[in-house]
Amino acid sequence: KNQVEQSPQSLIILEGKNCTLQCNYTVSPFSNLRWYKQDTGRGPVSLTIMTFSENTKSNGRYTATLDADTKQSSLHITASQLSDSASYICVVLSGNTPLVFGKGTRLSVIA
Amino acid sequence: EPEVTQTPSHQVTQMGQEVILRCVPISNHLYFYWYRQILGQKVEFLVSFYNNEISEKSEIFDDQFSVERPDGSNFTLKIRSTKLEDSAMYFCASTGTYGANVLTFGAGSRLTVL
Repeated sequence: KNQVEQSPQSLIILEGKNCTLQCNYTVSPFSNLRWYKQDTGRGPVSLTIMTFSENTKSNGRYTATLDADTKQSSLHITASQLSDSASYICVVLSGNTPLVFGKGTRLSVIA
Repeated sequence: EPEVTQTPSHQVTQMGQEVILRCVPISNHLYFYWYRQILGQKVEFLVSFYNNEISEKSEIFDDQFSVERPDGSNFTLKIRSTKLEDSAMYFCASTGTYGANVLTFGAGSRLTVL
């Protein structure tokens, strides 16, 4: 069964610190992997999209990695800001089937 | 930047009532989607729509649900007879091409069924 598992479920960090969120997937065949940021009560907003051949991709303070062999991805946030507080969702596309969403990691950045 | 617009932002309804959620996708997009997210749970796929017909639907999308593109701009989700468990955020999304392109999500419509 296609699944996307994320860890940790929630995370609290101090403003200015770095953090790394994990995503493991069992989706097959693999087409691409996306990280979305979802503010409370809002729709998900795309941060990055990674294809099979990409290992690392950065978008400002966000850096995503992908290991297609181990089926793992991570999202690293550098120098966190209060506005980074949100849910971060890992989403995998498998062929032409609907996107498979993870449950997300709830990040809280505190002053 | 182009946006997907959803209305209403929040709707409260009585169990058994019909509800229509509206979406205006990005104008040059061709693929449209509805997702839902029950509070505290992950986003779930409901249905995809292309070329004026449903291209795929999930088990959640039963006979109580229907979608329509009544004109060139709107994309609606109708729930015929709401149940308590239909309470959720409903997200509309659109994309220009299937699969590879990033979905653009709307801000969501919160449905509360009493």
